[in-house]
Amino acid sequence: SAVISQKPSRDICQRGTSLTIQCQVDSQVTMMFWYRQQPGQSLTLIATANQGSEATYESGFVIDKFPISRPNLTFSTLTVSNMSPEDSSIYLCSVETGQGESGYTFGSGTRLTVV
Amino acid sequence: KQEVTQIPAALSVPEGENLVLNCSFTDSAIYNLQWFRQDPGKGLTSLLLIQSSQREQTSGRLNASLDKSSGRSTLYIAASQPGDSATYLCAPASGGSYIPTFGRGTSLIVHP
Repeated sequence: SAVISQKPSRDICQRGTSLTIQCQVDSQVTMMFWYRQQPGQSLTLIATANQGSEATYESGFVIDKFPISRPNLTFSTLTVSNMSPEDSSIYLCSVETGQGESGYTFGSGTRLTVV
Repeated sequence: KQEVTQIPAALSVPEGENLVLNCSFTDSAIYNLQWFRQDPGKGLTSLLLIQSSQREQTSGRLNASLDKSSGRSTLYIAASQPGDSATYLCAPASGGSYIPTFGRGTSLIVHP
């Protein structure tokens, strides 16, 4: 299965600022997925990022708030823009490399606290 | 829309016990089901993947079963250890994109 390097691992940010989270995969993948996990909650899919096209956002998430870049088949970024305390969560990226046969692999997560 | 329920929400046991974690899902047309472990504030570690055609998978002290028709999966942990303390998440993959849907997890504490 793929290995994902995600950074930063954690950050404390001031409200109104933005944070960009990076995910690097050790192999080429078609789709990368970004999730949010609010405190005490399960994982919620934010968007699916395909290389060479606009990301596909789930209901309740918009590009202006969570812009995503996917410049190549091994890398993606998620930006959390104009942050408020409600954005305090763990953000995770994920890939699936085996066309359904290998399951999903996750990065180590970014723990974001907005003050 | 797939909905996933995990029972119990929390579990605290002494070391050595055999444990049963339950997962139910509403849409039985799944492609596969994955069990993950999450340590506090961290990412997810995949434990077991069961394809829709399979009934169970085993890895060491872990065994996961799948009854797709009834929308249930069970994770068995044998001879629990303090190092097993974590949150366990069940995630069936369904829909056209086979993207997993997550339950809220079972938070497990194993006391020495």
